[in-house]
Amino acid sequence: IAGITQAPTSQILAAGRRMTLRCTQDMRHNAMYWYRQDLGLGLRLIHYSNTAGTTGKGEVPDGYSVSRANTDDFPLTLASAVPSQTSVYFCASSESTENTEAFFGQGTRLTVV
Amino acid sequence: RKEVEQDPGPFNVPEGATVAFNCTYSNSASQSFFWYRQDCRKEPKLLMSVYSSGNEDGRFTAQLNRASQYISLLIRDSKLSDSATYLCVRHYKLSFGAGTTVTVRA
Repeated sequence: IAGITQAPTSQILAAGRRMTLRCTQDMRHNAMYWYRQDLGLGLRLIHYSNTAGTTGKGEVPDGYSVSRANTDDFPLTLASAVPSQTSVYFCASSESTENTEAFFGQGTRLTVV
Repeated sequence: RKEVEQDPGPFNVPEGATVAFNCTYSNSASQSFFWYRQDCRKEPKLLMSVYSSGNEDGRFTAQLNRASQYISLLIRDSKLSDSATYLCVRHYKLSFGAGTTVTVRA
């Protein structure tokens, strides 16, 4: 079944540890995004990628890095996790960054302790 | 200031009622918007797009007012299954509002 998948579904992480959230899509979408969702703040864009080989910063990029080595994968890395990064993380993809429907992964619930 | 602002609600309405809420945006150059629906702890899913003056899909009507820079969503004949959070999205780089919570009661 075509779609976008995230892994892991949930994770408890010790502060200071490095963590990579995985995101893979098989729809050959050019654009991919990472969001965090916190109560009362909605979805905030962390990083995005217009196409393979390019990335850009979103609204809340500090403490996160991404790479886009190919069309399908868009991993999000927390180099040294802090408790304020406790959140639900959603990955999404769309054909382009304008005027096209975005499809979301099921989310990763991350708790940093 | 966020690019897209929404009234968080919650809007508590009885079954069969009509409910409407707005979303304002700051960038006057914005051309297209979307309404997404998010159920508790689930991923957002596209409800409808708003490209020009508006769009209608069954019981749902979306309007775009460029002069006042807001988008509205109206739900007629509310169903229990309409209970969700509705997210307004400016589609360039997918800028989301914080969402409006709607609860339909029996």
